[in-house]
Amino acid sequence: GNSVTQMEGPVTLSEEAFLTINCTYTATGYPSLFWYVQYPGEGLQLLLKATKADDKGSNKGFEATYRKETTSFHLEKGSVQVSDSAVYFCALKGTNAGKSTFGDGTTLTVKP
Amino acid sequence: GAVVSQHPSWVICKSGTSVKIECRSLDFQATTMFWYRQFPKQSLMLMATSNEGSKATYEQGVEKDKFLINHASLTLSTLTVTSAHPEDSSFYICSAQGPEADTQYFGPGTRLTVL
Repeated sequence: GNSVTQMEGPVTLSEEAFLTINCTYTATGYPSLFWYVQYPGEGLQLLLKATKADDKGSNKGFEATYRKETTSFHLEKGSVQVSDSAVYFCALKGTNAGKSTFGDGTTLTVKP
Repeated sequence: GAVVSQHPSWVICKSGTSVKIECRSLDFQATTMFWYRQFPKQSLMLMATSNEGSKATYEQGVEKDKFLINHASLTLSTLTVTSAHPEDSSFYICSAQGPEADTQYFGPGTRLTVL
């Protein structure tokens, strides 16, 4: 079956530091890949997505590139802010649609 | 963009009572909605997939008689926790499959506390 493995947290960074959260996946076919963000006490928000190999999703300074050769979709941001503190989930959705598979989430704390 | 609402945002109830949580897609029609449960500092656990006009598909280990799901219209799915007990206390999150079939839009979640 499908699976998503995320970098374990928590991750603590200083403001303006570079962020990488690793995500690798196992799936048959060509899934769509997603990053979601969850702020405290809230539901998940779609942060970015990529639907095919070599696609780069980007939003709010965050980027992730769909790497089929390494089955990865690492999340990056060049300069984090305190407001980026949240839990980040990597997810995939298989080619036959239906349910998504989520990673365990990575908690990011950015200190001023 | 696609917006999903949930109501209530939080609820406290006594053990043995039933609680209904609504999930609405506000600006799009959703033939498929999903219900998740999230424990503190943990990932989402898919409970069931709700399809408009048909019975929900429950994940293994989820009691269908305890967690009743109804998806009566293209914009509304409800989850009823029947005879709730303290161990049912959790954060329940719904999502709706958006206009793009590969994308889900999540509701803000409902915090259920059973005393």
